[in-house]
Amino acid sequence: EVQLAQSGAEVKKPGATVRLSCEISEYTFTDYPIHWLQQAPGKGLEWVGRVDPADGETIYAENFQGRVTITADTSTDTAYMELRSLGSEDTAVYYCATSQAGYHYGLDVWGHGTTVTVSS
Amino acid sequence: DIQMTQTPSSLSASVGDRVTITCQASQDISYFLNWYQQKPGKAPKLLIYDASNLETGVPSRFRGSGSGTHFTFTIYNLQPEDVATYFCQHYDRLPKYTFGQGTKLEIK
Repeated sequence: EVQLAQSGAEVKKPGATVRLSCEISEYTFTDYPIHWLQQAPGKGLEWVGRVDPADGETIYAENFQGRVTITADTSTDTAYMELRSLGSEDTAVYYCATSQAGYHYGLDVWGHGTTVTVSS
Repeated sequence: DIQMTQTPSSLSASVGDRVTITCQASQDISYFLNWYQQKPGKAPKLLIYDASNLETGVPSRFRGSGSGTHFTFTIYNLQPEDVATYFCQHYDRLPKYTFGQGTKLEIK
């Protein structure tokens, strides 16, 4: 079964940087891009960006451009999201997800989510 | 940027009812729209892709329709396990993804 295993919860102070991981299993890492999404408490979903592990190409949402870096390590089949200059508005659950079908762009496999709390 | 407006933000219905959620795009997005279900404390689950195609394993009481700027998501014969929040999501050619605000569905 395809799985995306995310790293554990984080507590950070304002202004800090957080780095989250997403380790894949049971498929070839370079076959499909990995996406990251943010969900603030009681709020909807916001797409942060994605990386194509095949070539490292990234695309970021405008709201996060300049403050986020998404990378893929093909030696460990793990994707990372680094978010800098954290503020209280970054308190959220962050999901990694992928689209495996190959014939549509729906996100059909998701990680369990990582909770990030930003608090002084 | 394309904006997705999803309505209603919440609704309450009875078991066996038909429930409809709409998603309006700020410009023509063809059929590039997906629908997700999210239960409390869980990751979202893909239900419908490309406006009207049922994801494998999803019950047939879930239906999607529409194209261009107006889309609908319908649950026929509402079941207690359908209590969740539902999101529409547009994707463009890059692809970048844009979500609707979500609809919280409760059972009366």
